[in-house]
Amino acid sequence: LAKTTQPISMDSYEGQEVNITCSHNNIATNDYITWYQQFPSQGPRFIIQGYKTKVTNEVASLFIPADRKSSTLSLPRVSLSDTAVYYCLTGGPSSSNTGKLIFGQGTTLQVKP
Amino acid sequence: GAVVSQHPSRVICKSGTSVKIECRSLDFQATTMFWYRQFPKKSLMLMATSNEGSKATYEQGVEKDKFLINHASLTLSTLTVTSAHPEDSSFYICSARSGGAYEQYFGPGTRLTVT
Repeated sequence: LAKTTQPISMDSYEGQEVNITCSHNNIATNDYITWYQQFPSQGPRFIIQGYKTKVTNEVASLFIPADRKSSTLSLPRVSLSDTAVYYCLTGGPSSSNTGKLIFGQGTTLQVKP
Repeated sequence: GAVVSQHPSRVICKSGTSVKIECRSLDFQATTMFWYRQFPKKSLMLMATSNEGSKATYEQGVEKDKFLINHASLTLSTLTVTSAHPEDSSFYICSARSGGAYEQYFGPGTRLTVT
């Protein structure tokens, strides 16, 4: 299983763009990169998933360089409600881990007014 | 779509008793379900992987006789914490995936407090 490394915490202000970078130096060829968001006392919520280059959806963008050893989750114009823990995970259908997800420490994002 | 529910959302039990937590996939068939526990301000820790109709696979260090997992149907998995102790108090979260898909969908979690 690829191990991921993220900053433990980040602070931002409302309206700013937030970029959270995740390192996954040992990512396997067929692995995808997935980001989840978790609020206190709730289950994780899927944000975005990608394999390479750039992926964008209605809530975030995911930038993945050509070597795929890292990825950056970009949250445009954050609000107070974006205060949460963000997890970066790697894996895929063909991984030998039978699809199980191993969560790292995550990044606690604190958005201030 | 892809909704996973858990019941109960919160439970308090006395030490020595057993408690069952249900995880249901509401709009898809979940061939595989996963159970996690999470302590305050910590990350999710995978406890076991459950495949429909077969025995669960437990992660190292997780007592299979204490945390009984049953996945009897494609939409329901249960986790029973047997002879609960205060140290079993935690937030238990399940997730589910369908067939060969990689995406997992998480339930809202169950807060267990053992007194």
